[in-house]
Amino acid sequence: VQLVQSGAEVKKPGESLKISCKGSGYSFTNYWIGWVRQMPGKGLEWMGIIYPGDSDTKYSPSFQGQVTISVDNSISTAYLQWSSLEASDTAMYYCARSPVILVLYAGAFDIWGQGTMVTVSS
Amino acid sequence: DIQMTQSPSSLSASVGDRVTITCRASQGISSYLAWFQQKPGKAPKSLIHTASSLQSGVPSKFSGSGSGTDFTLTISSLQPEDFAIYYCQQYNSYPWTFGQGTKVEIK
Repeated sequence: VQLVQSGAEVKKPGESLKISCKGSGYSFTNYWIGWVRQMPGKGLEWMGIIYPGDSDTKYSPSFQGQVTISVDNSISTAYLQWSSLEASDTAMYYCARSPVILVLYAGAFDIWGQGTMVTVSS
Repeated sequence: DIQMTQSPSSLSASVGDRVTITCRASQGISSYLAWFQQKPGKAPKSLIHTASSLQSGVPSKFSGSGSGTDFTLTISSLQPEDFAIYYCQQYNSYPWTFGQGTKVEIK
């Protein structure tokens, strides 16, 4: 069971970006996938979560409208995308798997990806 | 949003020490509390879910307790590989929120 994220990115302000998180070794559509930001030297921030089974998506208000979370079940991959990057988006981004609990809800993260470093600089 | 407050923010301890970290939620979260360990330059590792249940493969020297608003993570006998930053997180309601982290350093 693992989540493998796409490689580091260096972008300019205003550019778009889509990073990926590929799940393997388990039934991708039966677990939630969440995204977590870690700015340099700072703590963990929860961005949002998606259930690949029906694409139900929850966003943190801090990130709603700033990013889009999506999935492509045909390749067991979740995505985090920006339409217009800012320097403040410079951070490490982690995806993490969350099991379903109580039939409908997302449980605690159990497996993490290795992280994708995004650097936004002019 | 539910605020998660960890204490202390950092601590110094010796190999073999028993260490306890506290996490307090700004409102009740039942037992929907997880703990994570993060070492420098590495992805977080999941330690505990549902306040007190060990994730698969996590050694029993780690234990968690609490419910409602007050929770603790205990490391029974600190080993060199345990020096890291520890985070709590609530998943009772959206948006999920993390504590600010507790850095465990070598004395």
